[in-house]
Amino acid sequence: GENVEQHPSTLSVQEGDSAVIKCTYSDSASNYFPWYKQELGKGPQLIIDIRSNVGEKKDQRIAVTLNKTAKHFSLHITETQPEDSAVYFCAASKRNQGGKLIFGQGTELSVKP
Amino acid sequence: DVKVTQSSRYLVKRTGEKVFLECVQDMDHENMFWYRQDPGLGLRLIYFSYDVKMKEKGDIPEGYSVSREKKERFSLILESASTNQTSMYLCASSLTWGNYGYTFGSGTRLTVV
Repeated sequence: GENVEQHPSTLSVQEGDSAVIKCTYSDSASNYFPWYKQELGKGPQLIIDIRSNVGEKKDQRIAVTLNKTAKHFSLHITETQPEDSAVYFCAASKRNQGGKLIFGQGTELSVKP
Repeated sequence: DVKVTQSSRYLVKRTGEKVFLECVQDMDHENMFWYRQDPGLGLRLIYFSYDVKMKEKGDIPEGYSVSREKKERFSLILESASTNQTSMYLCASSLTWGNYGYTFGSGTRLTVV
């Protein structure tokens, strides 16, 4: 079955710097790749997603890139702010799986003022 | 605002007890999911349902069962709770069959003593 690996497990950056989180997936049939942000005491919240027919997607300070050949995708956060501090999860799913997502292990991002 | 509501934020149960975790969504979503979240392991899928009275096993179904009698409600049942089931349990829903983002509940932290 699908396996998603996420790195790094923890990431500390200074406010204003960029942060990059990387994920690799094993099943070449996967075609949907969302990213979730989980703040303390809350459930994960979808922040951005990308489908396999697109190589890059941006939404203000966040962007996601997808390399289907290498089977990896990345989350980029620019001009980080303290409120970006959270745990971030990547996930993958494939067509005809009922929308079942397989998640990475999570990255704890800390943005220092 | 759309919501997924989990009935309990914290639960403490004794080994061997039968435990019910309840989840209700108000978005008329077809798909519902139960994950458990453990440090370093990310979110692992226990069971999911794509229709009323339908259920599918996820990656770690052992020791769990589910019930979906109504579209908006998805219950997770621990038949005989054990200490290794101490975890954060997250319920989620998504629109329909196919790849769509999840809406998560806030989670239930279950401790089995």
